[in-house]
Amino acid sequence: DSGVTQTPKHLITATGQRVTLRCSPRSGDLSVYWYQQSLDQGLQFLIQYYNGEERAKGNILERFSAQQFPDLHSELNLSSLELGDSALYFCASSVGSGSVNEQFFGPGTRLTVL
Amino acid sequence: TQLLEQSPQFLSIQEGENLTVYCNSSSVFSSLQWYRQEPGEGPVLLVTVVTGGEVKKLKRLTFQFGDARKDSSLHITAAQPGDTGLYLCAGARNAGKSTFGDGTTLTVKP
Repeated sequence: DSGVTQTPKHLITATGQRVTLRCSPRSGDLSVYWYQQSLDQGLQFLIQYYNGEERAKGNILERFSAQQFPDLHSELNLSSLELGDSALYFCASSVGSGSVNEQFFGPGTRLTVL
Repeated sequence: TQLLEQSPQFLSIQEGENLTVYCNSSSVFSSLQWYRQEPGEGPVLLVTVVTGGEVKKLKRLTFQFGDARKDSSLHITAAQPGDTGLYLCAGARNAGKSTFGDGTTLTVKP
């Protein structure tokens, strides 16, 4: 158990819909990262937050947005969903500072868009 | 953009064989992490290497950080079916930023 929790574990929805994925980081971690992983592919970095502020942006679509709240949990919002958005979405957390950036991953949310 | 290239992309071997996978970059990293991911699960941190030339051992797994801190290798001795998975390396820079490679998918056949 990494200490990072993600809900829901599975999500099935239709094209055009909007969903929200939730992540709670490990106790004490200030940074949260979101990744997308399509079938048989590597991790695609989406976005990073540190203590409530956006720190880095990767290949995140304009239809996607995220935020980190004062209690440090984070949400990833996906809107106008397309079939190609079906993937595993992982959240990871880390201390977020210093030169050793060990990330701890949650179990993921499997999103299926029909 | 700092890219991390992992090789080989796929590796299929018999139980008991040895193997080495590589993680290479043209950039210098403050530290480098190796993760293993099983299908449908999140990556799990295996090790962090920090110092150029550093070698760390985790049971049958040996990790080495290049002298210039631009590359790393993972060597597995006497591979077992339980070693099957996606091996990811990630180069870390300051301020909590990391770059992940695309991974090596290892299959160990009984």
